[in-house]
Amino acid sequence: AQSVTQLDSQVPVFEEAPVELRCNYSSSVSVYLFWYVQYPNQGLQLLLKYLSGSTLVKGINGFEAEFNKSQTSFHLRKPSVHISDTAEYFCAVTHSYTGNQFYFGTGTSLTVIP
Amino acid sequence: EAGVTQFPSHSVIEKGQTVTLRCDPISGHDNLYWYRRVMGKEIKFLLHFVKESKQDESGMPNNRFLAERTGGTYSTLKVQPAELEDSGVYFCASSGTRGYEQFFGPGTRLTVL
Repeated sequence: AQSVTQLDSQVPVFEEAPVELRCNYSSSVSVYLFWYVQYPNQGLQLLLKYLSGSTLVKGINGFEAEFNKSQTSFHLRKPSVHISDTAEYFCAVTHSYTGNQFYFGTGTSLTVIP
Repeated sequence: EAGVTQFPSHSVIEKGQTVTLRCDPISGHDNLYWYRRVMGKEIKFLLHFVKESKQDESGMPNNRFLAERTGGTYSTLKVQPAELEDSGVYFCASSGTRGYEQFFGPGTRLTVL
């Protein structure tokens, strides 16, 4: 079985400051990893994904994440946040062999303070 | 290209009533998924269609939930009768041949009073 833990439910950060949103997963099999973002009143939008290869993955809007297999983590980072980054962020995993059912974390609400 | 659409965006019903949610996937996507997020908790998988067939319905909470996908195009999720704990946001997603590339709709927020 797979599970995802997002340790921080709310993260306030000042504009132009760096941010890291933490994600740890548990799985007995090989997985693919994802970060999705949900802006207010919108659907889930894919930020970035790790399938294989380089452990540092770059996504849209200046976000990046690093896959750490030994620590079973996939933390999301951005060096300088903007007001428009205020949203809820979800980490998700899926089995790399079937890639169908997604397992999500509980989400992290990022609030960027002017 | 149109994305995944869901209708309605919001629904408020009384306990015991019936509600039907609709999802229109991206055109040509054979795979369609339903997920649900109960307030404050994680987004949980409900079921997966391949065309009109249910591939995996292991996440369906109980027999008050009925999902259909007649003709392999749009899908409906009916809750009958609705209970208070059914409140939450219901997301639909679709994918092509690569199941890990799922595109999500905006969700339907269901409130059961």
